[in-house]
Amino acid sequence: DGGITQSPKYLFRKEGQNVTLSCEQNLNHDAMYWYRQDPGQGLRLIYYSHIVNDFQKGDIAEGYSVSREKKESFPLTVTSAQKNPTAFYLCASSPTVNQPQHFGDGTRLSIL
Amino acid sequence: GDSVTQMEGPVTLSEEAFLTINCTYTATGYPSLFWYVQYPGEGLQLLLKATKADDKGSNKGFEATYRKETTSFHLEKGSVQVSDSAVYFCALLLFTGGGNKLTFGTGTQLKVEL
Repeated sequence: DGGITQSPKYLFRKEGQNVTLSCEQNLNHDAMYWYRQDPGQGLRLIYYSHIVNDFQKGDIAEGYSVSREKKESFPLTVTSAQKNPTAFYLCASSPTVNQPQHFGDGTRLSIL
Repeated sequence: GDSVTQMEGPVTLSEEAFLTINCTYTATGYPSLFWYVQYPGEGLQLLLKATKADDKGSNKGFEATYRKETTSFHLEKGSVQVSDSAVYFCALLLFTGGGNKLTFGTGTQLKVEL
């Protein structure tokens, strides 16, 4: 079945450590996105990519980095510069930039 | 800037009650509007959409009409079930030339009881 796969489902980070969240899609979508969800808040856009080898900062990009070397993959690295990384991270994709986004099941990141 | 405002939750209803979740938006252009649903521990699922004024989106008994004059996109369902318990997000999509952006409301939690 086609879809968006995020892994791992749960992730723990030590202080000063970088961690990478995986997002893979087999929908042949051009655009991919990363959001952060905090309790009681809506989703906030971290980074997005409309085409392979290109990506743009969203509203809260500081402390995060991404790459888009393949169409189907858009990994997110949470760096040690992100001082409050505990959140639920959601990856999404869409066929083109103007079409609805489809979401993965998320990765919950916590600090040890 | 663009924004979406939803009614605060939680909304608690008895099974078979009528549901309305209010959503209003502010946008500089002509957005597409969406409702997403999030079940516990899961990602968001697209529930319905409307791309222009007076469009009605519908799915699984839920409906919402794009009202440009009131900048609203209220979600309704005639008879809710316990399985509808989830968090519902209203969102707008606006293509600005520099890229599109999906702007979300803060979500409204719905609890349906027997």
